[in-house]
Order: sequence, then C-alpha cells, then structure tokens
Amino acid sequence: AQSVTQPDIHITVSEGASLELRCNYSYGATPYLFWYVQSPGQGLQLLLKYFSGDTLVQGIKGFEAEFKRSQSSFNLRKPSVHWSDAAEYFCARPHQTGANNLFFGTGTRLTVIP
Amino acid sequence: DTGVSQDPRHKITKRGQNVTFRCDPISEHNRLYWYRQTLGQGPEFLTYFQNEAQLEKSRLLSDRFSAERPKGSFSTLEIQRTEQGDSAMYLCASSPSGTGLRGYTFGSGTRLTVV
Repeated sequence: AQSVTQPDIHITVSEGASLELRCNYSYGATPYLFWYVQSPGQGLQLLLKYFSGDTLVQGIKGFEAEFKRSQSSFNLRKPSVHWSDAAEYFCARPHQTGANNLFFGTGTRLTVIP
Repeated sequence: DTGVSQDPRHKITKRGQNVTFRCDPISEHNRLYWYRQTLGQGPEFLTYFQNEAQLEKSRLLSDRFSAERPKGSFSTLEIQRTEQGDSAMYLCASSPSGTGLRGYTFGSGTRLTVV
C-alpha cells in the first residue's frame, strides 16, 4: 500500500513567521496528495490537493504546497503564520492507486506563539 | 446544505456496552466513508458505501463493528461489546459520485470514550 510520512510531530513558530510542514510519500506513479487541517475536537478541512499539472498548488487560508518528485515530498508552506493557524495538519494520499479511501500521515501539531 | 452531520458529538460508555453512531452526509452525496482516529494518529479508513452498497471494508473493522446505509442516505456505525481500545474519534465523510477523493467533506466526528 502507498503511504505518507510526516517526520515532524510538533512544530512551534512565532506569529508572523514562515512555516513549512514536511510530507514524504512512498513509491508509486504520480500520486494524488492532500493536506488537511484539524482544529481541536473538530473534523478535517481540506487545505489543498495535488493531482497533476503545476507542481505548486495554492490552497485556502494562504497555504501552498509544492510537489517534488525528486524528493518524494509534498511540503506545506505559509509565508506568515497567524495565531488561528494553530491546529493539527495531516498529509494524505489514496491508500492505493484507484482507491476511494485515504491514507493519512500521523500529523504535525502546530503551535503558534505570540 | 449544512455539511456532514454526525450524532452524537460525544459518547461515554461502559466496557461491554453497544453503541451506535449516526452520520448524515451532504444531500445527494452518494458516497459515504467512515474513519477512526485514535489519539495522536491520523484517521484510518474503516468502510465505504456507494448508495446503500457497502463496497469496501478495512481489516480494522472487526466482527464487533457493523455499518449500514439502508436507504442510501444516512449511515449508522454500531460497535458491539465495546472495549477500551475502541476509544477514538469516529469520522464520517461524503462525496458526490464522480469526484471521489476530490470531493471529500468530513463531519466533525463522534468522540467515543469507553470506561
């Protein structure tokens, strides 16, 4: 089965600083990749997705992600973090090619300090 | 369109009891998914319906778990003889036909605590 790995369990950044959350994917053809955000006690909200085409993907809330095949990565970035961005972030991909279900990484918890 | 609704939001039950959760998908979404999320982990796929047909089940869905979607609208997830290891957030998602993973919308989840 195909998978994703999020190496960072917890990241702390200052408000206004830039952010990069890492996601690495396992082998496979050009993968479908997703980033979701989860606020405490809430469900998941889709930030952005990559299917094909332009490797730099723009999402909601000022987030973007770049697909890099050479590095098997799909890192999430934001140039200036707001206190409201504090949440858990999950990278995901289909469990296998053609699957209708997603395999999620273990998540990265983002803390924003004033 | 009020999004994906899940009921209850929280459930505390004693070990050995049966529990049932409900998910109401976005209207006219014919695909419905159940995931389980334990503390500190990402969601894990449990099962998937297209209309009333249950098309896929994860090995995580033990014999104590059963899911139904009798009329192709709302779905229920029942856990029999609950165990402490069943404590988790149970998430439901839905999507329109033809969009698959692109059109996933998640509900806010049901948090189950087994004591």
